[in-house]
Amino acid sequence: DTAVSQTPKYLVTQMGNDKSIKCEQNLGHDTMYWYKQDSKKFLKIMFSYNNKELIINETVPNRFSPKSPDKAHLNLHINSLELGDSAVYFCASSPGAGGEKLFFGSGTQLSVL
Amino acid sequence: QKEVEQDPGPLSVPEGAIVSLNCTYSNSAFQYFMWYRQYSRKGPELLMYTYSSGNKEDGRFTAQVDKSSKYISLFIRDSQPSDSATYLCAMSYLAGTALIFGKGTTLSVSS
Repeated sequence: DTAVSQTPKYLVTQMGNDKSIKCEQNLGHDTMYWYKQDSKKFLKIMFSYNNKELIINETVPNRFSPKSPDKAHLNLHINSLELGDSAVYFCASSPGAGGEKLFFGSGTQLSVL
Repeated sequence: QKEVEQDPGPLSVPEGAIVSLNCTYSNSAFQYFMWYRQYSRKGPELLMYTYSSGNKEDGRFTAQVDKSSKYISLFIRDSQPSDSATYLCAMSYLAGTALIFGKGTTLSVSS
């Protein structure tokens, strides 16, 4: 029974397309996040939501739009995909608003051709 | 200077060795310090969590924080091949703020 699950695991698409990644957590956590890990393994926060409200929005292009329909779900929609968007995207959750003890999903490998 | 510096390695050790992994940071406001372990093609998992300075031990793992030197360490005793992974340090200013990650150190333990 996966705690933080994200789909799809792999996403291969053409430049200019629009795609979505879905995330769900069954841990009862209040806060969810999207992180991006580049080819050099550097992990950087993109967004965080606490009880469906956006609380962290790092410098991310407007083409990226998170949506949280409820506190157990946080989806990421990406418009007009670019080559530089190729990376692994991780969803994570944490109890409360404290971002220290993160529980990560297994990642979505996005390849933009 | 980057906020969090971590030598990417790779670090290769024989089974049974003591491993020392380190991070330095520039901002003295960091209060929460963590180590995450990431296996290939998996998400990071929390290994150790420390608030402020001091040591914390959990089985074969010991985390140390030296705030005066802005330096944190993770020691792995009696290393096992199953410890082969990338180890990421992470830290934050306050509870509820974003974690800043190091770039990770790749460890390989050979049997």
